[in-house]
Amino acid sequence: DAGVTQSPTHLIKTRGQQVTLRCSPKSGHDTVSWYQQALGQGPQFIFQYYEEEERQRGNFPDRFSGHQFPNYSSELNVNALLLGDSALYLCASRSRGQETQYFGPGTRLLVL
Amino acid sequence: AQSVTQPDIHITVSEGASLELRCNYSYGATPYLFWYVQSPGQGLQLLLKYFSGDTLVQGIKGFEAEFKRSQSSFNLRKPSVHWSDAAEYFCAVRKTGGNEKLTFGTGTRLTIIP
Repeated sequence: DAGVTQSPTHLIKTRGQQVTLRCSPKSGHDTVSWYQQALGQGPQFIFQYYEEEERQRGNFPDRFSGHQFPNYSSELNVNALLLGDSALYLCASRSRGQETQYFGPGTRLLVL
Repeated sequence: AQSVTQPDIHITVSEGASLELRCNYSYGATPYLFWYVQSPGQGLQLLLKYFSGDTLVQGIKGFEAEFKRSQSSFNLRKPSVHWSDAAEYFCAVRKTGGNEKLTFGTGTRLTIIP
């Protein structure tokens, strides 16, 4: 049973560019959340998707957007990249009705 | 808004010694409580969780945690650490009642010395 998977594992971009990160939830899970983890910090909640809609959002600007597909996989898009967007981006999934989120290995984004 | 404090940024423990990592939270009621572990370059692995009931919860890898409502704490313990326990440990809370967001502490880095 595959866990949460994310791609790519690493990514280097320059300021002003746009990036798309991908996440496949654990089998049987239908809810996906995204977190940003800056170096030396705990993860910060970006947003959560369920039934292909954004259900909840953290304190992140509109440059951060997402999408969920009918197969429950999800994308995180970041526009107009800033140096401060350099971080590990974590995807977490759970099944509706269960309380525990399971995390993927993350995508490490470096903005130069 | 809920918050989580992990007062110890870095802890060094000898292999075979006992371990306690501290976690305090701020929330108006009893939240759901979690401990996650993160090895270098890896994602987060769930160690244990508390939702209700027995305040002493057992997790994987020999870890346990105790919820103390009066102290708003959820400290993680292990009686005898192994070199493989070296990692970053995060305490997290989540509101009950359907709120999805996990709020994490800043983490405690654990170093094991021989």
